[in-house]
Amino acid sequence: AQSVSQHNHHVILSEAASLELGCNYSYGGTVNLFWYVQYPGQHLQLLLKYFSGDPLVKGIKGFEAEFIKSKFSFNLRKPSVQWSDTAEYFCAVSRVSGGYNKLIFGAGTRLAVHP
Amino acid sequence: DGGITQSPKYLFRKEGQNVTLSCEQNLNHDAMYWYRQDPGQGLRLIYYSQIVNDFQKGDIAEGYSVSREKKESFPLTVTSAQKNPTAFYLCASSSSAGAGYNSPLHFGNGTRLTVT
Repeated sequence: AQSVSQHNHHVILSEAASLELGCNYSYGGTVNLFWYVQYPGQHLQLLLKYFSGDPLVKGIKGFEAEFIKSKFSFNLRKPSVQWSDTAEYFCAVSRVSGGYNKLIFGAGTRLAVHP
Repeated sequence: DGGITQSPKYLFRKEGQNVTLSCEQNLNHDAMYWYRQDPGQGLRLIYYSQIVNDFQKGDIAEGYSVSREKKESFPLTVTSAQKNPTAFYLCASSSSAGAGYNSPLHFGNGTRLTVT
C-alpha cells in the first residue's frame, strides 16, 4: 500500500545531541514533501517543505531536511537539539490523486530532549 | 487574527448517537480538511473539500459525513456507523492551490471526542 513511513516512534536525546528523523514514502511520480511539528499543547505547524530545486531544505529553528529521490526519503535533521525541540514531528507527502491534491501524514515521531 | 476555530474542545456522546464537530475558518481558504489523530497512527484523512459544494472521501471516510455549504465552514458528522469514533479530530485549511501544494495546511486546535 502507498504510505508515508516514519521509522522511529519515540526518540530521546540529551541537549546538544544531533537529530535525524527518518521518513520514507512509497508514492511514484511528483510529490511535495513536508515536515510538521506539534509542540505540547499547540497546533500542528509547518517546519519546512520541499517542492523542487535544491534537495536540501532549510526550515525554522535550525531544522533541515534532505530529499533523496532515489531512496524515496526526506529525513529531518538538526545538528544540536534544545530542550524546546521536545515535540511530535510528522512527515507528510502531497500528491495528486483523482484530480485532487491530498496530503498524507506519517505516524509521527515523539521527540523528548532532556536538559 | 485569522485562523481556524474548532468547537467544542471536548465532546462526550453515548454510543449510537450522531455528533457534529464544527470547523470555521476566516483565512479565505478554498480547501478544507478533516483528519483523525490516533496515538501511533499519525493523522489520517477523513474528508476534504477543495471548493464550496464539493468534497471528496479521504482514506477513512466510512461512518463520517460532511457538508460544505459555505466557504468558511466544513462541519463533520460522526455517525453511529463509525465503529471506533473516540479520537482527536483536527480540521485544516489551505489556499486554493490544494493540500500542501504550494500552500501548507493551517490547523485548528482540535476536538477530542469520547463515545461511551
